[in-house]
Amino acid sequence: AQSVTQLDSQVPVFEEAPVELRCNYSSSVSVYLFWYVQYPNQGLQLLLKYLSGSTLVKGINGFEAEFNKSQTSFHLRKPSVHISDTAEYFCAVSSGGGFKTIFGAGTRLFVKA
Amino acid sequence: SAVISQKPSRDICQRGTSLTIQCQVDSQVTMMFWYRQQPGQSLTLIATANQGSEATYESGFVIDKFPISRPNLTFSTLTVSNMSPEDSSIYLCSAVQGAGVNTEAFFGQGTRLTVV
Repeated sequence: AQSVTQLDSQVPVFEEAPVELRCNYSSSVSVYLFWYVQYPNQGLQLLLKYLSGSTLVKGINGFEAEFNKSQTSFHLRKPSVHISDTAEYFCAVSSGGGFKTIFGAGTRLFVKA
Repeated sequence: SAVISQKPSRDICQRGTSLTIQCQVDSQVTMMFWYRQQPGQSLTLIATANQGSEATYESGFVIDKFPISRPNLTFSTLTVSNMSPEDSSIYLCSAVQGAGVNTEAFFGQGTRLTVV
């Protein structure tokens, strides 16, 4: 069975500051990892994904994440955030041919002026 | 990439009634799933919609409450039966294309359901 733990439910940060949203996963098999963003009253948008290859993954809107197998982590980072990055961020994991995706509880990022 | 259309986008329903949500994908997909997102919470997988056979439900979800159909590769429905206010949620359809490292998942915009 797979599970995802997002370590912070809310992360307040000032505009132009760096941010890291933490995600740990557990799985008995190889996994695919994702970060999604959900803006208020909108659907899910894929930020980035790790399927294989380089452990540093770059996504849209200047976000990147690093897959760390030994620490079973997939933390999301951005060097300088904008007010428009205020949203809910979900870490997710899937494995196997079924591609069933399990989501973390979410982290609400507040960017303050 | 696949585009998913969900209908209705939102609805307000009386308790005790049922609502069927439709999910249409604009291209053939491998897998289809239904998720629930309760207010202020994350997405919880309800079931995998299997083409031409009974859906595979996750723990805590049953067919009598959430019957699902998938008559072909691009269409699925989820019915929320005998609704109560606790069923007020966003229901999302998801579809997967490709295989292995080329796999990609897509999500619909969701159906916002309010039960009164």
